[in-house]
Amino acid sequence: GQNIDQPTEMTATEGAIVQINCTYQTSGFNGLFWYQQHAGEAPTFLSYNVLDGLEEKGRFSSFLSRSKGYSYLLLKELQMKDSASYLCAVIKGSNTDKLIFGTGTRLQVFP
Amino acid sequence: DSGVTQTPKHLITATGQRVTLRCSPRSGDLSVYWYQQSLDQGLQFLIQYYNGEERAKGNILERFSAQQFPDLHSELNLSSLELGDSALYFCASSARLAYPKDDTQYFGPGTRLTVL
Repeated sequence: GQNIDQPTEMTATEGAIVQINCTYQTSGFNGLFWYQQHAGEAPTFLSYNVLDGLEEKGRFSSFLSRSKGYSYLLLKELQMKDSASYLCAVIKGSNTDKLIFGTGTRLQVFP
Repeated sequence: DSGVTQTPKHLITATGQRVTLRCSPRSGDLSVYWYQQSLDQGLQFLIQYYNGEERAKGNILERFSAQQFPDLHSELNLSSLELGDSALYFCASSARLAYPKDDTQYFGPGTRLTVL
């Protein structure tokens, strides 16, 4: 199956830390992406994980556990502009670059 | 600005009609992808072209077709339009086929299609 599960909505306060989880079915897994999408705009690339562990990029970090079929995106020092949808996407198969997207997590940051 | 351009930005048409959406990839990118995003659904992969040839197919209806031209721009043709085809259509491009860490898909601004 292709199920990629993320929470539908999350809320957080400016300056706080939020963790957005993503689970997927592990068969054929070959990489995971996180994208940010503001309403009505194009998704923009945040991170890519293919090996287990944490990838840090400024205020954003992404973690992957391949054996558990689990990833999270960690956003630190939240800002109002971080209010957006966060999309988890998986590549399945070794000779493909087709991305399968989850339905996304809508994050609202409050002052 | 991702470097991927899409035209038109908005399109309003009637059921039964046919439309063409256009995408120009980033300079040097060989792969073009088309996605559909409806209000109640996530991004759905439709089709991918690489250097002019169809590479992968997703949930693309038979009423929809696409092609990539020698100059690498791509067009998505939607025919016999239905109300349910109203959505945001995104094009994305990437340099190569495989996914090394630094090769990702860059999305264009999208075309918002409204079918009345």
